[in-house]
Amino acid sequence: GAVVSQHPSWVICKSGTSVKIECRSLDFQATTMFWYRQFPKQSLMLMATSNEGSKATYEQGVEKDKFLINHASLTLSTLTVTSAHPEDSSFYICSARWAGYQETQYFGPGTRLLVL
Amino acid sequence: GESVGLHLPTLSVQEGDNSIINCAYSNSASDYFIWYKQESGKGPQFIIDIRSNMDKRQGQRVTVLLNKTVKHLSLQIAATQPGDSAVYFCAETVSGYSTLTFGKGTMLLVSP
Repeated sequence: GAVVSQHPSWVICKSGTSVKIECRSLDFQATTMFWYRQFPKQSLMLMATSNEGSKATYEQGVEKDKFLINHASLTLSTLTVTSAHPEDSSFYICSARWAGYQETQYFGPGTRLLVL
Repeated sequence: GESVGLHLPTLSVQEGDNSIINCAYSNSASDYFIWYKQESGKGPQFIIDIRSNMDKRQGQRVTVLLNKTVKHLSLQIAATQPGDSAVYFCAETVSGYSTLTFGKGTMLLVSP
């Protein structure tokens, strides 16, 4: 149980284009989903917290107009990197938390983004 | 042995040894802790958790110890196997507060 998927697993795009990453909870309803960014050999950096049906809460320093988050249902959240630039290249990971067990987050497999 | 590199501390052990990975957490109000394992190119995988009303919790081949006095958490892995090679992160949170705070991580390298 508590399986989270992400799609795509990797993406290469040209600078200036937008990229959408999907995060799905497959066997549970996720009241809250989180989006992280991770650079090589570093820890996870929380970008934003997303609650179903409401606006995402962004961490300090994360541009909400650049990283658009939509959490339209209890099983799906999307992160759109708008007008991507090479410095946006990174490993993006989502996690989900279910109502029955409030604190534990279950992570997706991650999406590697490379912006050329 | 254990070494601290520029970014990620590394613990190198032989297969069959017991491994101990340490974590110093930052918030004295934190009352829930999780250990995650992250293999290269994958997302973190839940290993074991512990609440602050406990000092020790055991799982399959893993034990987590919590010392609230010195704000220290450890993960013990018994009979370490090559498949245990990964980066291990501790995470802390305060119950009712939604976000997790992750530690810097430790890379575990297991030699056959």
